[in-house]
Amino acid sequence: QLQLQESGPGLVKPSETLSLTCTVSGYSIKTDYYWGWIRQPPREGLEWIGSIFHSGTAYYNPSLKSRVTISVDTSKNQFSLNLRSVTAADTAVYYCAASPGGTYFRFDNWGQGTLVTVSS
Amino acid sequence: QSALTQPPSASGSPGQSVTIYCTGTSSDIGGYNYVSWYQHHPGKAPKLIIYEVSKRPSGVPDRFSGSKSGNTASLTVSGLQAEDEADYHCSSFASSNVRVFGGGTKLTVL
Repeated sequence: QLQLQESGPGLVKPSETLSLTCTVSGYSIKTDYYWGWIRQPPREGLEWIGSIFHSGTAYYNPSLKSRVTISVDTSKNQFSLNLRSVTAADTAVYYCAASPGGTYFRFDNWGQGTLVTVSS
Repeated sequence: QSALTQPPSASGSPGQSVTIYCTGTSSDIGGYNYVSWYQHHPGKAPKLIIYEVSKRPSGVPDRFSGSKSGNTASLTVSGLQAEDEADYHCSSFASSNVRVFGGGTKLTVL
């Protein structure tokens, strides 16, 4: 069964880079899935950050595109999120999720989420 | 501000039906039949309950149904049960290979 688990620092300083990794288990990352990141700021709705295919083809939310990079490491069955120049507005629970190919980023499987706080 | 508009709250008594609406534009909901709904209990991972407007994944009770008219999608929960109390998020594929979400609706079972 496909499972995802986020990992990374829970506290990031303003202006620095937020880095998270999602480990995929029970399934090869080199399959017909898109691997994505979604976040939820406190008391707000979900926000799609971006999604990547194992080939490296990535799609990003236009509102975050200038600060975001999503990458994939097939040797470790992991994919990662880098969000640069963070501010308090980037404080959120960050989820990684899996979308079967051809579903236009429908998220069938989710990680439990990890809270990242941006504060000095 | 979310791309799709949902009411912040909804409520109903056990056994009743409740409908949650999600309004977008012709560039998202109105332009594609790729609307999804997610059930989200606090502290847990969101769960897909409706995809492609009205389809249910295996294991999701048929008490959950979805539909779409123009730029507005809707989720109906029939025969409300206590365990249905959760946040519900709508989502749609949008032009330029983007996924957009609504602000979420907190469903309370009275």
